[in-house]
Amino acid sequence: KNQVEQSPQSLIILEGKNCTLQCNYTVSPFSNLRWYKQDTGRGPVSLTIMTFSENTKSNGRYTATLDADTKQSSLHITASQLSDSASYICVVSDRGSTLGRLYFGRGTQLTVWP
Amino acid sequence: DAGVTQSPTHLIKTRGQQVTLRCSPKSGHDTVSWYQQALGQGPQFIFQYYEEEERQRGNFPDRFSGHQFPNYSSELNVNALWLGDSALYLCASSPRAKNTGELFFGEGSRLTVL
Repeated sequence: KNQVEQSPQSLIILEGKNCTLQCNYTVSPFSNLRWYKQDTGRGPVSLTIMTFSENTKSNGRYTATLDADTKQSSLHITASQLSDSASYICVVSDRGSTLGRLYFGRGTQLTVWP
Repeated sequence: DAGVTQSPTHLIKTRGQQVTLRCSPKSGHDTVSWYQQALGQGPQFIFQYYEEEERQRGNFPDRFSGHQFPNYSSELNVNALWLGDSALYLCASSPRAKNTGELFFGEGSRLTVL
């Protein structure tokens, strides 16, 4: 069964600190993995997208890693800011059909305190 | 360049009623997908439209139906509303068959069923 599991479910950190969010998937075949940031009540916004051959991609203070062998990804946030408070969703895409299929994790709810 | 636009942003219905949600994709995108996101959960795939046809469908009953117009805009219809249909409904658009390409989400339509 194709699944995407994220951990932790929620996380609280102090402003300025770093944190790492985890994503494990069983989706097969694999096409790409995306990380999205979703503010409460808003639509998700793309942070990074990685294909099978990429193992690191950065977007400002966000750095995503991918280990396609172990089917794990992480999202590292550096020097957190209050505006980083949001849900971070891991999404994996397969190659099983022409237009692909996306599998969503439940997200990690990050809260940054001053 | 407008991104993905959805309407209405919020609406309240009662059980048994019907609702229509609308989505205009990002300029240059011709594929539209719809997702249901319950509070605290990740988005769940409803269906995807391309060339005015439903191409893929998630595990949703026939009460959920859709349509895509020649200008690529799309509608999601839900009949015989249940309390459990209360959720944020997200529309996402992407360019043709670009599974590794961009995927943009709208801000969503918040449906409350009383």
